[in-house]
Amino acid sequence: SQKIEQNSEALNIQEGKTATLTCNYTNYSPAYLQWYRQDPGRGPVFLLLIRENEKEKRKERLKVTFDTTLKQSLFHITASQPADSATYLCAPSGGSYIPTFGRGTSLIVHP
Amino acid sequence: DTAVSQTPKYLVTQMGNDKSIKCEQNLGHDTMYWYKQDSKKFLKIMFSYNNKELIINETVPNRFSPKSPDKAHLNLHINSLELGDSAVYFCASSQDSSWGDGYTFGSGTRLTVV
Repeated sequence: SQKIEQNSEALNIQEGKTATLTCNYTNYSPAYLQWYRQDPGRGPVFLLLIRENEKEKRKERLKVTFDTTLKQSLFHITASQPADSATYLCAPSGGSYIPTFGRGTSLIVHP
Repeated sequence: DTAVSQTPKYLVTQMGNDKSIKCEQNLGHDTMYWYKQDSKKFLKIMFSYNNKELIINETVPNRFSPKSPDKAHLNLHINSLELGDSAVYFCASSQDSSWGDGYTFGSGTRLTVV
């Protein structure tokens, strides 16, 4: 069955550093991979979508990579700020695959 | 404001009751969804409608019945509520059902069954 893995442990980093979050998936080949941010008590907010034929996508301080061979996406936040602290969810999707969300990784940026 | 809005935000009810959650989007999207987020924070799809037609119906008890009167509205009715139904329910929408666009989520309805 399809499986999505994100680090369940919180990622603690110092302000100004680059945060890197990992999303691994198994047993399917999605055409897209989406990343969302979720703050406590709020709904997820869409950040970026990368297509299977794109290696990398950027938006301001965010960068996403998509390696279909490794079945992995990496999500980077450069020059991180305490306001970036949240849970980040990945969601492979597309083709015959409905978007299925990972459990998310909590990012904590310390001032 | 363009958004997905769902009501109520909080719902506390007794076991056995019937309740409804309403969702509306003014983004002009064709596809709407209901997701359930449990206490372990897993976000699981329940239903999806595309232009008022049901296109996804995951393994959800038939006590849950979605209704889409038009493509801007998707409501969720739950009969005979059980303790295990306690969760946060999110409504979302996307441009279409190709799943190649990001979703816009509502702020959630926290359902507590006592």
